[in-house]
Amino acid sequence: NAGVTQTPKFRVLKTGQSMTLLCAQDMNHEYMYWYRQDPGMGLRLIHYSVGEGTTAKGEVPDGYNVSRLKKQNFLLGLESAAPSQTSVYFCASSYSPTRTGNEQFFGPGTRLTVL
Amino acid sequence: RKEVEQDPGPFNVPEGATVAFNCTYSNSASQSFFWYRQDCRKEPKLLMSVYSSGNEDGRFTAQLNRASQYISLLIRDSKLSDSATYLCVWGNSGGSNYKLTFGKGTLLTVNP
Repeated sequence: NAGVTQTPKFRVLKTGQSMTLLCAQDMNHEYMYWYRQDPGMGLRLIHYSVGEGTTAKGEVPDGYNVSRLKKQNFLLGLESAAPSQTSVYFCASSYSPTRTGNEQFFGPGTRLTVL
Repeated sequence: RKEVEQDPGPFNVPEGATVAFNCTYSNSASQSFFWYRQDCRKEPKLLMSVYSSGNEDGRFTAQLNRASQYISLLIRDSKLSDSATYLCVWGNSGGSNYKLTFGKGTLLTVNP
């Protein structure tokens, strides 16, 4: 199993450009998450999904949109990139929360720089 | 008060040392607790869950004190390979929505 994969691994954008980050998991997990990690800030939840066709806002959703058209994929979109969105983006997935103590499995991350 | 607070370190210890990290959390409704490990420029990975009675996994011991709202991680006989950032994490299930809250991490460097 590949686990959680993310594409691309690196990307440089100019202010105002758009892009989509793709996350895929092959563990049949219900839940998927998008985080950003910035120095001194820790991991912050952007959006998450509790199942195919559903999405919900996390702690820092502004400037991002997401879609979960297929259970195995979770897309994160930046419609008009800003320098403040320069960060490392991690995708994660997990089983349903009815299972106590669920582990989240993370992808390798996408390093995004917005100039 | 921040949801999860950790001493950011850095902790620099020699090989073979014992080192302990503490983490406090503010949400008394927190239901599950974890320690994750993150190597430099890598993704976080689960190190261990933290159970109410405390639990041990080899050289690692995790404890939970609900009354004082803190969790701890003890690493015995430190190895060079233990060098990483350790993230304190708590989970909260609000209905069908399950989210994890991450601390900012404590950086550990084990020196030869």
